[in-house]
Amino acid sequence: GQQVMQIPQYQHVQEGEDFTTYCNSSTTLSNIQWYKQRPGGHPVFLIQLVKSGEVKKQKRLTFQFGEAKKNSSLHITATQTTDVGTYFCAGALYNFNKFYFGSGTKLNVKP
Amino acid sequence: DAGVTQSPTHLIKTRGQQVTLRCSPKSGHDTVSWYQQALGQGPQFIFQYYEEEERQRGNFPDRFSGHQFPNYSSELNVNALLLGDSALYLCASSVGLAKNIQYFGAGTRLSVL
Repeated sequence: GQQVMQIPQYQHVQEGEDFTTYCNSSTTLSNIQWYKQRPGGHPVFLIQLVKSGEVKKQKRLTFQFGEAKKNSSLHITATQTTDVGTYFCAGALYNFNKFYFGSGTKLNVKP
Repeated sequence: DAGVTQSPTHLIKTRGQQVTLRCSPKSGHDTVSWYQQALGQGPQFIFQYYEEEERQRGNFPDRFSGHQFPNYSSELNVNALLLGDSALYLCASSVGLAKNIQYFGAGTRLSVL
């Protein structure tokens, strides 16, 4: 079964509104990565979180890793049309050197 | 500094045929992972190669096989193609076996008719 669940599947926002996508795992993760894939493109690495409760910021993007290392979130403040794309989380389990990708959240931003 | 390159970009095959996809990792990277991405889905891990050996494997049948060459480039082979094998095949390179940043290539779009 799917190791990493991601919600919502789609999100349509007006430019300037905020956006959040959530990632959940039934198993404790060793680390989690976030990627962005533009329409017709390939996944591009955004960030990696390793520590319990870790919070990292990149300009308007805020990434969080839960205390139990079973969930994570990506929050975008004041979306822009350049934020359009699908955002994926990818979690890795302890003792396994492979990443399980979520199904992604497709973000559409209306100008 | 070239990134991850994949060839071909597009491929059309018929059921039962065999296909070989190629990947050259980013300069300085020695690990290659292959993913299958069906339309509207997240990438699914196929396998990973390091030091010319398959190190990890996802839930894919033996029809999917691979190889890594001494220059770290890699091939993905799929035998006895099924309609369900139609997808975007992504190659990602990284350094070593630790869970490091993966750099993805643009992918090969495979259509099986």
